[in-house]
This record gives sequence, C-alpha cells and structure tokens, in this order.
Amino acid sequence: EVQLVESGGGLVQPGGSLRLSCAASGFTFSSYEMNWVRQAPGKGLEWVSYISSSGSTIYYADSVKGRFTISRDNAKNSLYLQMNSLRAEDTAVYYCARDSGSLAAADYWGQGTLVTVSS
Amino acid sequence: QSALTQPASVSGSPGQSITISCTGTSSDVGGYNYVSWYQQHPGKAPKLMIYEVSNRPSGVPDRFSGSKSGNTASLTISGLQAEDEADYYCSSYTSSSTPVFGGGTKLTVL
Repeated sequence: EVQLVESGGGLVQPGGSLRLSCAASGFTFSSYEMNWVRQAPGKGLEWVSYISSSGSTIYYADSVKGRFTISRDNAKNSLYLQMNSLRAEDTAVYYCARDSGSLAAADYWGQGTLVTVSS
Repeated sequence: QSALTQPASVSGSPGQSITISCTGTSSDVGGYNYVSWYQQHPGKAPKLMIYEVSNRPSGVPDRFSGSKSGNTASLTISGLQAEDEADYYCSSYTSSSTPVFGGGTKLTVL
C-alpha cells in the first residue's frame, strides 16, 4: 500500500525556518517524481515545488522561489522541504504528493502537516 | 502563473448531473491535454479523479467524466450521490513546465 507521511510542521515566527519531511513507503520511491502542495486555511490548493526522480530537475512556485528548497534522499525513501524566511502567508497545510507519471496529476497524497507562521 | 478559473459553487439533487468548468489560457488548459481533477472532502487530502482531461484512475466511478474544449475543461458528475459533496479542483500543466490549480468549486448535494 502506498503511504506518504509528512512531519515537521509547527508554529514558527516570521522570518524563521522549518524543515518538512515526507516518508514514503509501498512503492519504489526512486522511480517517481514528487511534489509539495499547500493549502492555506479555508483556501484552495497551491502547488509549491517539484523534484524529478533523480533530483536533477527542480521547479518552484514564484511565491516561494529563493526561500524554499526541495530535496530527496532516495536511499531513505524521503522527500524534504526546507523553508526559510517564512512569512505569515506561508501558513498552510503542506502535502507531499506523488506524480502519477502523467503531467500535472498526483495520484497519492499524504495527510498533510500544518505550518503556522505567527508571532 | 495565474490560477485557473472555476465557479465558487455548484449544486444539484441526488440523481441529477452537474458540470464544473475550469477556464485557463492557451499556455495551460488550451495548450496541453494534461488537465486533472481532484476531489477533497473536509479535513482530507485531495483525491485524483480525472487525469489527462478524461481518464479515470482505477477505482473512480464512471459517473465522473472529463472533457475539454479550447481553454476550458469540464468535470461532469452524473447520478449525483450524497458522498459526492466535496470541493473539486482542476489542475493543468503549463508552459512553465509546472502545474497550476483552479480556485476550487464547492459541490453541494441538495
């Protein structure tokens, strides 16, 4: 069974940093592209970042470019999101999501981890 | 990349059909056959319902169908059931090689 389990969320002050992790199991993690998607409270989905299966290709949304860094460790079946210079507008539930193999289609999602940026 | 445009809400009675639209541009919806639809119940993670405009993943009922014309994609749910009440999001591949989501549509089953 495919499972994605996020961790690392919490309360952080503006300007602070946080590192999210996503532990994958039930599939060959190294063969799949992965994404981070976030959802602010009561709002819609916003794509945040993408990483290819090898980690060689990475994309970011303009809203996080220069502040967030996506990475993966295929040996540990894990995906990461390093978030720096956090702002109030970064407050959201962050989901890791597996690419289905088709462009812009994520077939498995984690349960999400809440990041709250507030003083 | 601007979000795709969806109606804020739609409603229908059990057994009826509803359609949710998703409007973009030639740089996303109109330029690629890579439109997806997600269902999200309150407090839950999104679930992929349609990919590549009209394909259903295994396990998704055939009451759910997708189509596209020009810069607008559509999700149709026929034979509405109570459990279909949820938020629905479209997503499209873009010319920036990244995905973009729609603003979401709240479906109410009356």
